[in-house]
Amino acid sequence: AQSVAQPEDQVNVAEGNPLTVKCTYSVSGNPYLFWYVQYPNRGLQFLLKYITGDNLVKGSYGFEAEFNKSQTSFPLKKPSALVSDSALYFCAVRDSSGTYKYIFGTGTRLKVLA
Amino acid sequence: GAGVSQSPSNKVTEKGKDVELRCDPISGHTALYWYRQRLGQGLEFLIYFQGNSAPDKSGLPSDRFSAERTGESVSTLTIQRTQQEDSAVYLCASSFPTSGGAGAETQYFGPGTRLLVL
Repeated sequence: AQSVAQPEDQVNVAEGNPLTVKCTYSVSGNPYLFWYVQYPNRGLQFLLKYITGDNLVKGSYGFEAEFNKSQTSFPLKKPSALVSDSALYFCAVRDSSGTYKYIFGTGTRLKVLA
Repeated sequence: GAGVSQSPSNKVTEKGKDVELRCDPISGHTALYWYRQRLGQGLEFLIYFQGNSAPDKSGLPSDRFSAERTGESVSTLTIQRTQQEDSAVYLCASSFPTSGGAGAETQYFGPGTRLLVL
């Protein structure tokens, strides 16, 4: 069965410091991996995705994520955090072998401190 | 262009009443998803529509939940005889096929309908 784990409920980081939000997954086939962000009182917005090819994926707002097949991980990263990055981040996976279901993680709240 | 819209934005109802939630996807998007997001939790898949194919209803939690979609347009999610545990934000998303193949497309989410069952 597909699953996604975001082990951190909250991540605090100082503005200007690098940030990492963890995500691990489990699928039977090859994974399609996604990161979405949810700002307060707004819908989920797409950040980036890994489908195939280069393991390092760059997305919106300076975010990037690196697919690591051996560790079944897809951590979200940004070299220098901004206060405006404070939001709820969701990792999602879909098995490429046929199912159309996304499985979302429980979310990680990122708080960037000025 | 217009994004995914949902109505109502908020709904308060009494236990036992039926509610109907609406989703207007982005024009041209053939796929439409419904999710439930309980407070402090992740998104729970409910149902998936793709064009004129039979929908994937495997995520619907009980027979009180149903959803319809006419062609590639509006979808409605109906909850009958609402219970307090149905209180949640109901999110709709739509997408269109990409060159990455089935399953690789990006979902575009609506703002959600916040349902409170008293």
